[in-house]
Amino acid sequence: QVQLQESGPGLVKPSETLSLTCSVSGYYIDSGYYWGWIRQPPGKGLEWIGNIYHSGSTDYNPSLKSRVTISVDTSKNQFSLKLSSVTAADTAVYYCARRGGSTGWYYFNYWGQGALVTVSS
Amino acid sequence: QSLLTQPPSVSGAPGQRVTISCTGSSSNIGAGYGVHWYQQLPGTAPKLLLFGDNNRPSGVPDRFSGSKSGTSASLAITGLQAEDEADYYCQSYDNTLSAYVFGTGTKVTVL
Repeated sequence: QVQLQESGPGLVKPSETLSLTCSVSGYYIDSGYYWGWIRQPPGKGLEWIGNIYHSGSTDYNPSLKSRVTISVDTSKNQFSLKLSSVTAADTAVYYCARRGGSTGWYYFNYWGQGALVTVSS
Repeated sequence: QSLLTQPPSVSGAPGQRVTISCTGSSSNIGAGYGVHWYQQLPGTAPKLLLFGDNNRPSGVPDRFSGSKSGTSASLAITGLQAEDEADYYCQSYDNTLSAYVFGTGTKVTVL
């Protein structure tokens, strides 16, 4: 069974960089699929941040693209998220997920439990 | 601002049927992209409920079904149960934004 687990600091200061890692078990990242990040501000809806393939190919939400970097480490079976210049508006639960489906029909079928990141001084 | 609009809440008595709408536009649902639905129980991660408009992953009861027409989609829950009380989100792709988009979310309350 595919399992994902987010890890990283739960508190980040404004203007600094948020960093999270997603550890995958039950599946080798370099076997395929895109892997993504999705966030959810407290009491609000879901927002897609971006995806990465094991080759390093990425696609990002245009609204966050200037501040987001997603990378992959296949040797550790992990992928990571960096979000720079954070503000209080970036306070959210951050989920990592695996993308399934096919062209035009992509969805997220495996999710981590989520990691709450609070931006505050 | 989400491009997929859902009603904030719906409610029903146990055993009843409820539906949740997901209204998009010609750049997402209307462009033929698949609509997928997620169930988020309180304090937990979203779980894929339906994919490709009306396909259930293994383990999802057939009480859940989906449909799509034009620029909108719907999720129906028949035989509503207390365990169905959760937030539900639709998701598709938008070719104007070049982004995966989620609906605004709907809270289902079992009376």
